[in-house]
Amino acid sequence: EAGVVQSPRYKIIEKKQPVAFWCNPISGHNTLYWYLQNLGQGPELLIRYENEEAVDDSQLPKDRFSAERLKGVDSTLKIQPAELGDSAVYLCASSQGAGETDTDTQYFGPGTRLTVL
Amino acid sequence: GNSVTQMEGPVTLSEEAFLTINCTYTATGYPSLFWYVQYPGEGLQLLLKATKADDKGSNKGFEATYRKETTSFHLEKGSVQVSDSAVYFCALSVPRSNYQLIWGAGTKLIIKP
Repeated sequence: EAGVVQSPRYKIIEKKQPVAFWCNPISGHNTLYWYLQNLGQGPELLIRYENEEAVDDSQLPKDRFSAERLKGVDSTLKIQPAELGDSAVYLCASSQGAGETDTDTQYFGPGTRLTVL
Repeated sequence: GNSVTQMEGPVTLSEEAFLTINCTYTATGYPSLFWYVQYPGEGLQLLLKATKADDKGSNKGFEATYRKETTSFHLEKGSVQVSDSAVYFCALSVPRSNYQLIWGAGTKLIIKP
């Protein structure tokens, strides 16, 4: 079974430029997550989708970050304009969507390492 | 609130040594517990999990037991290899909530040949 796919793996841009990251979740997974991970730290949730609906975007800096998950499968995370402090690894994860079950395991993609110069 | 505390790293061991990485948690309800591993330059991989008290998760020679009485989920391996060098994250999620993962700070493990 294919895992979570992300592209690009690496991106270098100059500040004030736009950038977009793409994620394809595991087939059949209804829930999709975008995380930001700074060096030496754990992931921080940016946004969570249930199918095509963003159910938790409280940590997404909406002045410059946007995300979409059209048709409830692939997702795109965009930053416009990028700032120096946005340099980090952006991780996508997916899970089945547990409903009333006890747990809902998240599976992560390889991440996109963004460097803003 | 919910939180996870891991032992600080880096942890440096020789090959074939016994490994323990401590993880304790605070949570409302009955959380599920996870260990994720992140190899250099890669994303997070689920290593093992446990969903109820006294469950033991195991994978690739690693084990962790969900201890409700001590609110712990320590990661152990009997004989580490150089290839185990990575950062290990303990995490919890609270069921029937928003399933948000609460992460520990991560513990860097360095195995020397």
